[in-house]
Amino acid sequence: DSGVTQTPKHLITATGQRVTLRCSPRSGDLSVYWYQQSLDQGLQFLIQYYNGEERAKGNILERFSAQQFPDLHSELNLSSLELGDSALYFCASSVGQFYTEAFFGQGTRLTVV
Amino acid sequence: AQTVTQSQPEMSVQEAETVTLSCTYDTSENNYYLFWYKQPPSRQMILVIRQEAYKQQNATENRFSVNFQKAAKSFSLKISDSQLGDTAMYFCAFMKGNTDKLIFGTGTRLQVFP
Repeated sequence: DSGVTQTPKHLITATGQRVTLRCSPRSGDLSVYWYQQSLDQGLQFLIQYYNGEERAKGNILERFSAQQFPDLHSELNLSSLELGDSALYFCASSVGQFYTEAFFGQGTRLTVV
Repeated sequence: AQTVTQSQPEMSVQEAETVTLSCTYDTSENNYYLFWYKQPPSRQMILVIRQEAYKQQNATENRFSVNFQKAAKSFSLKISDSQLGDTAMYFCAFMKGNTDKLIFGTGTRLQVFP
């Protein structure tokens, strides 16, 4: 158990809908990272938050947004969902702003039908 | 832009044998880190081993060791005394120093047979 908790584990939704994925980092970790793992694109970095502020952005679509709350949990919001958004979404956390070791959650499997 | 290449989509090894997974990367940076992550069927991403580019000594973690060839931009993972629990996808990843994101390779699926 990495200490990073992601909910839900599985999510099935229809095209055009909006979903929210939740991540609770390890105790004491200030950084949260979101990654997408799909068959087409492999593992890709989406976005990072550090202590409530956006720190870095990767290949995140405009239909996707994220935030980190004062209690340091993070949410990834995916809207106007398309079939191609079906993927495994990982959250990872680390202590500092720049990490040398990130701990990953078990992921949320999103299926868009 | 940095890229990570894993040229072996699938590998298999018999229990107790040794296997080496290959990884090459492309970067013009001098300060960076390299990682191997394991993703078992449970799909959790687990850090196996980490190498700092400025360190010449190859990293080792129990049965796992790397062969880091900086000039050749090669970073292979050797698993000794393979165990059934080593069956998983293995991802090589690159991180530029003082940045935030991991750049992953496409992965190698390792099957350990009894």
